[in-house]
Amino acid sequence: AQSVTQLDSHVSVSEGTPVLLRCNYSSSYSPSLFWYVQHPNKGLQLLLKYTSAATLVKGINGFEAEFKKSETSFHLTKPSAHMSDAAEYFCVVSESGTGGFKTIFGAGTRLFVKA
Amino acid sequence: DGGITQSPKYLFRKEGQNVTLSCEQNLNHDAMYWYRQDPGQGLRLIYYSQIVNDFQKGDIAEGYSVSREKKESFPLTVTSAQKNPTAFYLCASKGRGPYNEQFFGPGTRLTVL
Repeated sequence: AQSVTQLDSHVSVSEGTPVLLRCNYSSSYSPSLFWYVQHPNKGLQLLLKYTSAATLVKGINGFEAEFKKSETSFHLTKPSAHMSDAAEYFCVVSESGTGGFKTIFGAGTRLFVKA
Repeated sequence: DGGITQSPKYLFRKEGQNVTLSCEQNLNHDAMYWYRQDPGQGLRLIYYSQIVNDFQKGDIAEGYSVSREKKESFPLTVTSAQKNPTAFYLCASKGRGPYNEQFFGPGTRLTVL
């Protein structure tokens, strides 16, 4: 069965320090994995995606994520947090199955950035 | 300028009224989706459509209805049967294939007075 677990509901960092948002998944097949960001009262914006090519994926705004099949993880990182990074982040898994593609959203991790 | 639009941005409804939320995309995507988001929670799938004139219920379809008469449009009606409709509603579209991401609109915040 397909599932996504974001291990932290809230993460707080100081500006200029590294960011780590954790995501574990389960999938019966080779999944596609995505990270989205949502600022308050806005839609979701794609940060990056993994599609079975390079396991280290670089995204926008300095974010990157590493696909680790052995650990079934897809953690999101950024070397140095900026105040503008404060937002909600969603890990998403998508895979094909009977009836088409199924997409599962994680519950989200809210990132707080302290000055 | 390609994208996905939702209107209105804010919507107020009296109890017992039906309201329709608009979603339009010019990305030539086959699939479109409606999600509901409540404060502090993730996204829950209401309805989705993979092709014109066809749609399927998601996880929380009760009290909602949709139509897909055109590829570009996927309106959502929140009926009076939806007991707790106050929420943030997000529409998304997606191209074919497993590697394509969903593109999201800016959302509509519905408040029942």
